[in-house]
Amino acid sequence: DQQVKQNSPSLSVQEGRISILNCDYTNSMFDYFLWYKKYPAEGPTFLISISSIKDKNEDGRFTVFLNKSAKHLSLHIVPSQPGDSAVYFCAASVGGSARQLTFGSGTQLTVLP
Amino acid sequence: DGGITQSPKYLFRKEGQNVTLSCEQNLNHDAMYWYRQDPGQGLRLIYYSQIVNDFQKGDIAEGYSVSREKKESFPLTVTSAQKNPTAFYLCASSIMPAVNYGYTFGSGTRLTVV
Repeated sequence: DQQVKQNSPSLSVQEGRISILNCDYTNSMFDYFLWYKKYPAEGPTFLISISSIKDKNEDGRFTVFLNKSAKHLSLHIVPSQPGDSAVYFCAASVGGSARQLTFGSGTQLTVLP
Repeated sequence: DGGITQSPKYLFRKEGQNVTLSCEQNLNHDAMYWYRQDPGQGLRLIYYSQIVNDFQKGDIAEGYSVSREKKESFPLTVTSAQKNPTAFYLCASSIMPAVNYGYTFGSGTRLTVV
């Protein structure tokens, strides 16, 4: 049973427009959420995170929104750039020293010039 | 530069052979992890270690083994018991607890069984 789900395997967006990537989770114990970006043949790199005590976190062009009641988070990229084309993974963790991450299956974002 | 290094980048294995994937970090991170990525699936945890000489099974540990003799190193052995080993393997490390930025990942090893 997947605890973190990214239901859209791919998304195409025109350059300059907004990209919205979605993620749903089932484990109500998750208290920290992260987004990673991955290029082919490379490891994922950290993009942005949000604690469950917040509902929004912003870093430049990237904003993550958390809706705890719906168990849903989204990543907004505005404006989208061709260099943003990558696979985006949503990840979640439960508090504690181990803080293992549970990953979604990823969404391939393609930004068209 | 601090980072996490995986080698080799590509690895071919004959059926029935064991192979070992290397993972080294110079970030002074306490915890290290091994994940497997298959097409259309998320990253699945194989093993993790929070401290030297100690490690725990993840969700898909069968057919794999690890060791943590040094803080910097966490090699993964894919044994002949692993029924479907062809995949992209990612090593990661983190401070304890892994707040804010989560994990630092290596660039991965693509293992192909021939």
